Amino acid sequence: SQKIEQNSEALNIQEGKTATLTCNYTNYSPAYLQWYRQDPGRGPVFLLLIRENEKEKRKERLKVTFDTTLKQSLFHITASQPADSATYLCALKGSTLGRLYFGRGTQLTVWP
Amino acid sequence: DVKVTQSSRYLVKRTGEKVFLECVQDMDHENMFWYRQDPGLGLRLIYFSYDVKMKEKGDIPEGYSVSREKKERFSLILESASTNQTSMYLCASSMRGLAANTGELFFGEGSRLTVL
Repeated sequence: SQKIEQNSEALNIQEGKTATLTCNYTNYSPAYLQWYRQDPGRGPVFLLLIRENEKEKRKERLKVTFDTTLKQSLFHITASQPADSATYLCALKGSTLGRLYFGRGTQLTVWP
Repeated sequence: DVKVTQSSRYLVKRTGEKVFLECVQDMDHENMFWYRQDPGLGLRLIYFSYDVKMKEKGDIPEGYSVSREKKERFSLILESASTNQTSMYLCASSMRGLAANTGELFFGEGSRLTVL
């Protein structure tokens, strides 16, 4: 199985700044890595996927990088807004078909 | 709009009661999953299923069982609820095979269970 570390439980930044969240894993490099957003009392919602042969993926203000040498993914939110405040989870594809391993999440707070 | 529906958002049960958590998806997905989520522990997989009548243990199956009699429905059963099963339970589904290009999980809104 995988061990996944999201480097901080909480991150507080000012509106307009770039938020950077980190996801590290310890075992084999997965075929892909995903990021989810979770609001309080709700289920996680899929944001982005990046494959092992991709270095970077963008979607609007979101950017994800994947470094299989460092065994790390970085998740960036540029021009952050208070509405971006949520918990962000990284998830790695396991060796078993369909199985994902989740990190514990980083709670992001963007203050005005 | 695709949807995973969990039957109860909030439940309060007593120790020793049998508890059923129901999950229905309308996306014709083959894979279905039950997770529990606790503060500081993240999402932990209880059971998953790749097809009707199939089930696989996840990381924490003890004290739980599941049932998948129809493709769209995946039930989680607590045979005899205990206080340490107080948690948020999340159901999810995904496509399988070549169609599962992203492996994206679609989650329900969660069922918050309190066992007294």
